[in-house]
Amino acid sequence: GAVVSQHPSRVICKSGTSVKIECRSLDFQATTMFWYRQFPKQSLMLMATSNEGSKATYEQGVEKDKFLINHASLTLSTLTVTSAHPEDSSFYICSARSLASSYNEQFFGPGTRLTVL
Amino acid sequence: AQSVTQPDIHITVSEGASLELRCNYSYGATPYLFWYVQSPGQGLQLLLKYFSGDTLVQGIKGFEAEFKRSQSSFNLRKPSVHWSDAAEYFCAVDFYNQGGKLIFGQGTELSVKP
Repeated sequence: GAVVSQHPSRVICKSGTSVKIECRSLDFQATTMFWYRQFPKQSLMLMATSNEGSKATYEQGVEKDKFLINHASLTLSTLTVTSAHPEDSSFYICSARSLASSYNEQFFGPGTRLTVL
Repeated sequence: AQSVTQPDIHITVSEGASLELRCNYSYGATPYLFWYVQSPGQGLQLLLKYFSGDTLVQGIKGFEAEFKRSQSSFNLRKPSVHWSDAAEYFCAVDFYNQGGKLIFGQGTELSVKP
């Protein structure tokens, strides 16, 4: 149980295009999903907290107009990188917090490798 | 500011040797504590977690961790390391006044010598 998927696992795009990454909780409902970014050899940095049916909360320094987050249902959140540039190339990881967990445990997706040419 | 520190960026141990990875956090109260492992290009796998109760917690793959309140530490241990344990290890803390957000340490890269 508690499986989180991400799609796609890898994406290569041209500079200036937009890319959408999906995060799904497969066997549980998640009111809250988190989006992280990880540069090579570095730790995970939280980008935003996504709550179902409401606007995402972005961390300081994260451009909300560039990283659009939509949490349309209790099992799906999407991250859209708009007008992507090479500096947006990174590993993006989502996590989902289970409604059933009394300790707010997060379950992580396998990540999406974005490369912007 | 709340923070998580993993003092060792890279550790190398011989296969069969014991392992201890350090993690310290800053805060007054007892938070929720986690250890994750990440293989190259992969997502995070939860090794173990501490919420309350017994301060020595057992996890998967033979790992354990001990919460020491007086030292604000949650060190990860394994008595005998296997070559397959080579990976990046992250300590993470939910300070639970932050809306469930996790703060990650910098990570410790573990290499295993044959």
